[in-house]
Amino acid sequence: DVQLLESGGGFIQPGGSLRLSCAASGFTFSTYAMSWVRQAPGKGLEWVSGISSSGISTYYADSVKDRFTISRDNSKNTLYLQMNSLRAEDTAVYFCAKDTRSSPRGVDYWGQGTLVTFSS
Amino acid sequence: QSALTQPPSASGSPGQSVTISCTGTSSDVGGYNYVSWYQRHPGRAPKLMIYEVSQRPSGVPDRFSGSKSGNTASLTVSGLQAEDEADYYCSSYAGRNNLVFGGGTKLTVL
Repeated sequence: DVQLLESGGGFIQPGGSLRLSCAASGFTFSTYAMSWVRQAPGKGLEWVSGISSSGISTYYADSVKDRFTISRDNSKNTLYLQMNSLRAEDTAVYFCAKDTRSSPRGVDYWGQGTLVTFSS
Repeated sequence: QSALTQPPSASGSPGQSVTISCTGTSSDVGGYNYVSWYQRHPGRAPKLMIYEVSQRPSGVPDRFSGSKSGNTASLTVSGLQAEDEADYYCSSYAGRNNLVFGGGTKLTVL
């Protein structure tokens, strides 16, 4: 079975940094693109970033461009999201999601999510 | 990268059918056949119900169906059951390897 397990969430302060990880199992990780999707409190889902199966190509929503960096280690079956210059509006549950193709086209499996919460 | 537009709520009685719409533009929903629908129960991970507009993953009941006309995609749930009560989200490929999601629709089974 496909399993995606996120970790690394926590309390953030303005301007701070956080690194999320997603451990994948149950499928050939290196074959599929991966994405991070977030859901702020009371809001809908928002695609944050995607990465090709090889890791060579990365893609970002305008809201996080130049602040967040997505990466993957296919030898460790792990996806990462480095989040810098954090803002209060980045507060959300962050989901790791597997795509159906080698480049982002639509996700099929999701993790349970990890919470990133603004702390004043 | 504007979010797709979904009605905030929808409802139906057990056994009835309900259709949820998802409106985008020619740059996303209308331009590609990569529309997906997800079901999310509180506190649980989203579950894929429909992919590529109308394809159903194995294990998803055939009561769930998807379609698209122009810039609007639709999810129809037939023979509503209590367990169908959940939030439903659409998503679409938006070109240049970007994805876009809808704001979500809360489906209530009366």
